[in-house]
Amino acid sequence: EIVLTQTPATLSLSPGERVTLSCRASQSVNNHLAWYQQKPGQPPRLLMYDASNRATGIPARFSGSGSGTDFTLTISSLEPEDFAVYYCQQRSSWRTFGQGTKVEVK
Amino acid sequence: EVQVDQSGGGLVQPGGSLRLSCAVSGFTFTNNWMAWIRLAPGKGLEFVANIQPSGGVKNYVGSVKGRFTISRDNAKSSLFLQLDNLRAEDTAVYYCARDFGGGYFEHWGQGMLVTVSS
Repeated sequence: EIVLTQTPATLSLSPGERVTLSCRASQSVNNHLAWYQQKPGQPPRLLMYDASNRATGIPARFSGSGSGTDFTLTISSLEPEDFAVYYCQQRSSWRTFGQGTKVEVK
Repeated sequence: EVQVDQSGGGLVQPGGSLRLSCAVSGFTFTNNWMAWIRLAPGKGLEFVANIQPSGGVKNYVGSVKGRFTISRDNAKSSLFLQLDNLRAEDTAVYYCARDFGGGYFEHWGQGMLVTVSS
């Protein structure tokens, strides 16, 4: 099973700051990685797929990069609605998720 | 507009059964793989099962094989998950979603809580 490790577990930030979230795979997943955002009481929302493709309706401040084992989700300038938990997920071998990074208000 | 409405869930004793349902509108259900994903308390998301558009191919995570059954009714644009022989570790919020691009998930339902406890 491919294990996805997300760091850090929690980030404390202020609106307007730049955010960089990391996801590392235990073996190569090529570019077969997605990112999701989940807010309390809501289902996850797909943000990015195939590492760098924004899903429909996702604002341009979200961007993704990486291939192989190391991936990054960047939010260029945090908006108040971006405080949430972010998960990465791979589809290269079965489907597994990372444990999530919580972006909280500082 | 895409709508994914879930029903079912609730409290059940260990060894019991439940059926989850998911009604879809706003995209062509019959052309799409569909999936169930769960979020257990204090844990991350876990893929549970998915099903081919025709219903002929089904995949399950190892921990639920032989206990859970995924199915679909294309005439009613509905997805189901039959949960049998439930265990405490199956306690989670269960989501249905469209499985696209070979294994990504979009158009998630609102989630239904399944609690397995005596």
